[in-house]
Amino acid sequence: GAGVSQSPSNKVTEKGKDVELRCDPISGHTALYWYRQSLGQGLEFLIYFQGNSAPDKSGLPSDRFSAERTGGSVSTLTIQRTQQEDSAVYLCASIAVGLSNSPLHFGNGTRLTVT
Amino acid sequence: LAKTTQPISMDSYEGQEVNITCSHNNIATNDYITWYQQFPSQGPRFIIQGYKTKVTNEVASLFIPADRKSSTLSLPRVSLSDTAVYYCLVGDGGNTPLVFGKGTRLSVIA
Repeated sequence: GAGVSQSPSNKVTEKGKDVELRCDPISGHTALYWYRQSLGQGLEFLIYFQGNSAPDKSGLPSDRFSAERTGGSVSTLTIQRTQQEDSAVYLCASIAVGLSNSPLHFGNGTRLTVT
Repeated sequence: LAKTTQPISMDSYEGQEVNITCSHNNIATNDYITWYQQFPSQGPRFIIQGYKTKVTNEVASLFIPADRKSSTLSLPRVSLSDTAVYYCLVGDGGNTPLVFGKGTRLSVIA
């Protein structure tokens, strides 16, 4: 079946521009997570959604980062006024809530390069 | 703050069994233990999950002691294609933030 889809797969932008990253979760998965992974590093938690609500935004690095989810499905991560340190792979994952033993299903990420 | 601690890296020869141990001293009653594998330029993928005792599937085994404060992923007879980063994650799927530790970089040598 269809997995988690992220777009674009690659994005190159100039410093100071805004970017939008999109995540299409697995159908029926009510929880959605965003992570950031810098080169050679681990997964940094950014934010998660239960339905359209984000109970925990503590991982967002600064107020330039925001995320929303609509219709309990697609999510968008927006980075305003991008900086070079924002360059990383942004990973999205979804999970079937209600089952404590349900694993995360990841997309292949969006590689963001800020020049 | 990650709830898990793993060795940063491990090396192994092909054909050997590899055991990676993860510490999670503050695991909660509702938490499951899940291991993921990540190759370069890909998102992590699920390997195995358990709550207590031993779980085995076609690719790995997971050993969890009675106190659940640690777990060990066992990969039998590794091959070069098992070279990857392995992450241990504890959490109550989808009901809380799921914070990963730094993972273990496994290098399999011919």
